Amino acid sequence: GAGVSQSPRYKVAKRGQDVALRCDPISGHVSLFWYQQALGQGPEFLTYFQNEAQLDKSGLPSDRFFAERPEGSVSTLKIQRTQQEDSAVYLCASSLESRRLNTEAFFGQGTRLTVV
Amino acid sequence: TQLLEQSPQFLSIQEGENLTVYCNSSSVFSSLQWYRQEPGEGPVLLVTVVTGGEVKKLKRLTFQFGDARKDSSLHITAAQPGDTGLYLCAGALFSGNTPLVFGKGTRLSVIA
Repeated sequence: GAGVSQSPRYKVAKRGQDVALRCDPISGHVSLFWYQQALGQGPEFLTYFQNEAQLDKSGLPSDRFFAERPEGSVSTLKIQRTQQEDSAVYLCASSLESRRLNTEAFFGQGTRLTVV
Repeated sequence: TQLLEQSPQFLSIQEGENLTVYCNSSSVFSSLQWYRQEPGEGPVLLVTVVTGGEVKKLKRLTFQFGDARKDSSLHITAAQPGDTGLYLCAGALFSGNTPLVFGKGTRLSVIA
């Protein structure tokens, strides 16, 4: 596809359920980022990959959050034992080169997670 | 503590009016970007500014990076309903490999 694709677009999970969110970056993009955006807030950084290497996971809020990008392309963000405070839009972005800001990052439409 | 403070948080204006939104920090950034986000969509990059004092224009939008690289502004001339959206500033800190940090955004509504 032409852009960053995320699935599902919407996910409703019962509290305690595990979820997996998928991101298909733009083909050939080296860097991939995950952000969490709560209602009415700006995106908050979660984690960053360069190819298959997870170089920064300092933004992951707890050990219930796990991200992987095993082949340096598609990435999955997994949340275990979801809690209501996990409800947010999860955004994925990819960029051609490094995370340095002069390289444009393209965002997907996001996955809206609602934990009930 | 929010690293990037945006103001105002909400802005509702009539079509044809001018407006300015601000992005301020006590930290120095190597560069700063402005994004626009519409409901149900991801942020879309509008501009990147990298040099202190830099001014960039994109049609009716004018972006300025402060001389000290701590702040930025976005000015819209003759606003149109199509300008409605959430405007986000985001920056990379000067101090090395740090993630892109976002402000909370300014939600703009332009009424026809």
